[in-house]
Amino acid sequence: DGGITQSPKYLFRKEGQNVTLSCEQNLNHDAMYWYRQDPGQGLRLIYYSQIVNDFQKGDIAEGYSVSREKKESFPLTVTSAQKNPTAFYLCASSIAVGTASTDTQYFGPGTRLTVL
Amino acid sequence: AQKITQTQPGMFVQEKEAVTLDCTYDTSDQSYGLFWYKQPSSGEMIFLIYQGSYDEQNATEGRYSLNFQKARKSANLVISASQLGDSAMYFCAMRAGYALNFGKGTSLLVTP
Repeated sequence: DGGITQSPKYLFRKEGQNVTLSCEQNLNHDAMYWYRQDPGQGLRLIYYSQIVNDFQKGDIAEGYSVSREKKESFPLTVTSAQKNPTAFYLCASSIAVGTASTDTQYFGPGTRLTVL
Repeated sequence: AQKITQTQPGMFVQEKEAVTLDCTYDTSDQSYGLFWYKQPSSGEMIFLIYQGSYDEQNATEGRYSLNFQKARKSANLVISASQLGDSAMYFCAMRAGYALNFGKGTSLLVTP
């Protein structure tokens, strides 16, 4: 079955620690994205990548870092510099036909991060 | 700048009835895409339906249809024959460029 997997489902972090959220897709999509969702809110873009070894900042990139060493994988690191990291994190991927408005993003099941 | 507005924080509908979830948008782009996603309590965002700005016909996908009124900049989701499993958050989103811009969502509760 093709799809997007995220792990772990729940993650607890102490203040001052870096944590890495995993995102893997087997849809052969070129583009991958990380979004953050806070309670009662829509999603906000953290980072996106259109191609291996290349990525761009989204609207709220401060305190986060990413890598894209393989087409299938786009891990997100939440660093200690992120002042309010408790949130629900969603990874997505798309075929990435340039900036075509038809390019549908498909989402993984999400990781819920809580800072203790 | 783009903006998506969903004015209904919560909606109720009886099973087997139809329901319309509102979405208005603001953009200066000529080419854009409008999407609806469903988010059940498990958290996953499930793609429902897509409408392109140049599409002349309203999109339909099974029980979902999109009432697209370009001049009014609205893209309302219509769910026909509601089912208990339709209870979830519903998000309208717009794409012009690389990312999706989301509204704040509407919580739909389907009652027996």
